[in-house]
Amino acid sequence: QITLKESGPTLVTPTQTLTLTCTFSGFSLTTSGVGVGWIRQPPGKALEWLALIYWDDDKRYSPSLKSRLTITKDTSKNQVVLTMTTMDPVDTATYYCVHRPTSGSYIAYWGQGTLVTVSS
Amino acid sequence: QSALTQPRSVSGSPGQSVTISCTGTSSDVGGYNYVSWYQQYPGKAPKLLIHDVSKWPSGVPNRFSGSKSGNTASLTISGLQAEDEADYYCCSYAGIDTYWVFGGGTKLTVL
Repeated sequence: QITLKESGPTLVTPTQTLTLTCTFSGFSLTTSGVGVGWIRQPPGKALEWLALIYWDDDKRYSPSLKSRLTITKDTSKNQVVLTMTTMDPVDTATYYCVHRPTSGSYIAYWGQGTLVTVSS
Repeated sequence: QSALTQPRSVSGSPGQSVTISCTGTSSDVGGYNYVSWYQQYPGKAPKLLIHDVSKWPSGVPNRFSGSKSGNTASLTISGLQAEDEADYYCCSYAGIDTYWVFGGGTKLTVL
């Protein structure tokens, strides 16, 4: 059974850097083709893809947020970490960790999500 | 503004069929057979319904079906049930740099 769970601060001050950790189980990020990514959803709004890291450490970032994002993995801990710099109130959203399977290009599993509020 | 265009809302009566459209461009929907659909209940994480345009993951009833024509993908829900009332999002692969783009979401109301 594949599960993913996000952890990190629920409240961030504007201009701060956000660090979110995704801890997963039921699959290995060393398996060819597998990826783990992040998607966010502002309250009442649509989903937005942020970043993805592949089993071979290849990384992909949303073009509009690329300068602010860094995604890394620790396969020994089954964790993926996303950092987002210069947080702004418009970045207030639920952040989801997601699993990309070995073939195709879709999100097979989602974490429960974590709401991050940016406010002073 | 989302990259893919979906109707904001659709509705139907129990037992009827509804179709939700998802319009993109030749750089996303029209360029790849990697359209997926997700169902989201309020306060919950999205759930995969359809992948690779028309494939079902295990456990998803075949009342949900997907198709694509040109730059527009569609999700059809047949035999509407009250439990189908939710938000639905389409997603398309959009190339190695843009990667995934989403639609703005469609709220389905079962009358």
